[in-house]
Amino acid sequence: AQRVTQPEKLLSVFKGAPVELKCNYSYSGSPELFWYVQYSRQRLQLLLRHISRESIKGFTADLNKGETSFHLKKPFAQEEDSAMYYCALSGGMDSNYQLIWGAGTKLIIKP
Amino acid sequence: EPEVTQTPSHQVTQMGQEVILRCVPISNHLYFYWYRQILGQKVEFLVSFYNNEISEKSEIFDDQFSVERPDGSNFTLKIRSTKLEDSAMYFCASSEATSGTGEQYFGPGTRLTVT
Repeated sequence: AQRVTQPEKLLSVFKGAPVELKCNYSYSGSPELFWYVQYSRQRLQLLLRHISRESIKGFTADLNKGETSFHLKKPFAQEEDSAMYYCALSGGMDSNYQLIWGAGTKLIIKP
Repeated sequence: EPEVTQTPSHQVTQMGQEVILRCVPISNHLYFYWYRQILGQKVEFLVSFYNNEISEKSEIFDDQFSVERPDGSNFTLKIRSTKLEDSAMYFCASSEATSGTGEQYFGPGTRLTVT
């Protein structure tokens, strides 16, 4: 079964502390993995995707095929990072790029 | 920068009524999607649309739902006879998808409230 699991509904850390938002997936083929973010009163927007292997706003995520994980990390959290974070999976062209979503993690950065 | 737009931002309707949610995808995009998010729950895929036809749909997308691209610009989601459980945020998204990465760009959503 295709599934994305984000085990934490809520994660609260202090400013300057490291952040790790967990994401595990189940997929039979070779998926594309994404992190989307939704800031308060804003639309969903792509944060990063595994194929680009880039760092956006200090966040990185590495695809671990052995552990079927795509955890999102940032070494030093900032208050503006407070948002909902969604991990999503796409089967690519074979599934017309539809996204399968995790339940989301609400990240709160305390001052 | 081009954006996906959705109207209305909030729609209130009575159970049994038909609603049409409208989306204007980014103009050079080829794939179009509808998702919904019931309050407090995860985002759920409804349907994808490519080359003027439905390419994928989920179990949620039953006969009550339909999509259209009536004029090459708008992309609409129609719910024929709304039920209380249709209350949710409905997100439209579009994707260029020519690069194979499938990045989707989302609209701001329409909040549908069925009373």
